[in-house]
Amino acid sequence: SQTIHQWPATLVQPVGSPLSLECTVEGTSNPNLYWYRQAAGRGLQLLFYSVGIGQISSEVPQNLSASRPQDRQFILSSKKLLLSDSGFYLCAWTSGTSGTDTQYFGPGTRLTVL
Amino acid sequence: QKEVEQDPGPLSVPEGAIVSLNCTYSNSAFQYFMWYRQYSRKGPELLMYTYSSGNKEDGRFTAQVDKSSKYISLFIRDSQPSDSATYLCAMRHQGAQKLVFGQGTRLTINP
Repeated sequence: SQTIHQWPATLVQPVGSPLSLECTVEGTSNPNLYWYRQAAGRGLQLLFYSVGIGQISSEVPQNLSASRPQDRQFILSSKKLLLSDSGFYLCAWTSGTSGTDTQYFGPGTRLTVL
Repeated sequence: QKEVEQDPGPLSVPEGAIVSLNCTYSNSAFQYFMWYRQYSRKGPELLMYTYSSGNKEDGRFTAQVDKSSKYISLFIRDSQPSDSATYLCAMRHQGAQKLVFGQGTRLTINP
């Protein structure tokens, strides 16, 4: 069966510090991968998605970036965090472009920027 | 106007009640409809997945899609305190790589 991991689970960082969040998927190949942010009491905001290694689509202009160095690894980064970057970061995957697959989410990383 | 509208609630009902959660949408090309349940401080988990119009039942949960009205519903029968969570609707059209989510409805079932 497929599983999705995210780490760290919780992170507290000062403004201006760098960020690296990691997501890995097990039990599948060539997944589509997604990064979302969920602010407190708000819906899901799609930040980036990737359909393959090195292929990144950005949905929202901001100081975050994403990379996909391996098939089942997706990384969210920032060089300098802002207060507004605080939130719950979720990684998700689908099994590709069959047109009938839905998204499955990881456990999330709660980021607090102070 | 948002593509998907969902009343954020909060919604509070007594245990055993029938709960109705709803979303409306504007894009008639949407064909795949999902409901996710998200417990506090957890990732969303897929609850129901339906294609096109009609009903789908899974235990105490029924998902209903009315494409003519651009309206989807999730019904929870015999609601339990463990059903207390935020419920997110999501949808996409054929071949789309991305889902469009509603804002989520926060539901509390009171014992």
